[in-house]
Amino acid sequence: GQSLEQPSEVTAVEGAIVQINCTYQTSGFYGLSWYQQHDGGAPTFLSYNALDGLEETGRFSSFLSRSDSYGYLLLQELQMKDSASYFCAVRSLSGGYNKLIFGAGTRLAVHP
Amino acid sequence: NAGVTQTPKFRVLKTGQSMTLLCAQDMNHEYMYWYRQDPGMGLRLIHYSVGEGTTAKGEVPDGYNVSRLKKQNFLLGLESAAPSQTSVYFCASSEDGYGYTFGSGTRLTVV
Repeated sequence: GQSLEQPSEVTAVEGAIVQINCTYQTSGFYGLSWYQQHDGGAPTFLSYNALDGLEETGRFSSFLSRSDSYGYLLLQELQMKDSASYFCAVRSLSGGYNKLIFGAGTRLAVHP
Repeated sequence: NAGVTQTPKFRVLKTGQSMTLLCAQDMNHEYMYWYRQDPGMGLRLIHYSVGEGTTAKGEVPDGYNVSRLKKQNFLLGLESAAPSQTSVYFCASSEDGYGYTFGSGTRLTVV
């Protein structure tokens, strides 16, 4: 089977740094993705890690350790608009096709 | 560019009724997916398609059917709606299976 675990809620203040962790169990692992979703909106793609290490995109960075089945999303210089839900998702190959399986999401609240 | 368009945006059904949700993408993507999102449970994959004329079951396929007769369209059908199918439904497409583009969602209530 496949499973992902991430914290349900995280709170931080504006300007701070926050890390959202994700651990996973899956077969046929190809990579770990992160998506952002504001209330009432659609998920939007943030990052994808296929190999171990850190990927940086502006204020957001994502890390993957395949040997530990672990990854995280790092958000720096937090802004109020970063208040949203963040989902990790594993890209796995099963049944001959690849697809994304999502975690339950982490709700980030940024306070002044 | 429209991206991924879902219709309708809202719908209320009575138990036992049937309906079809339409997803259309204008990016010429091969892969298309239907997810449902329920509070505290993230996004769960219902069915997906890796190309025109092909479909496959995801994590929660029971009670749903899909068709991909044209590359740009992916239809999700509810054969006999049940209250447990009350959810927000998202369609997504992808060129290569890496980054997904999601539609704005369909909020379905079954009473």
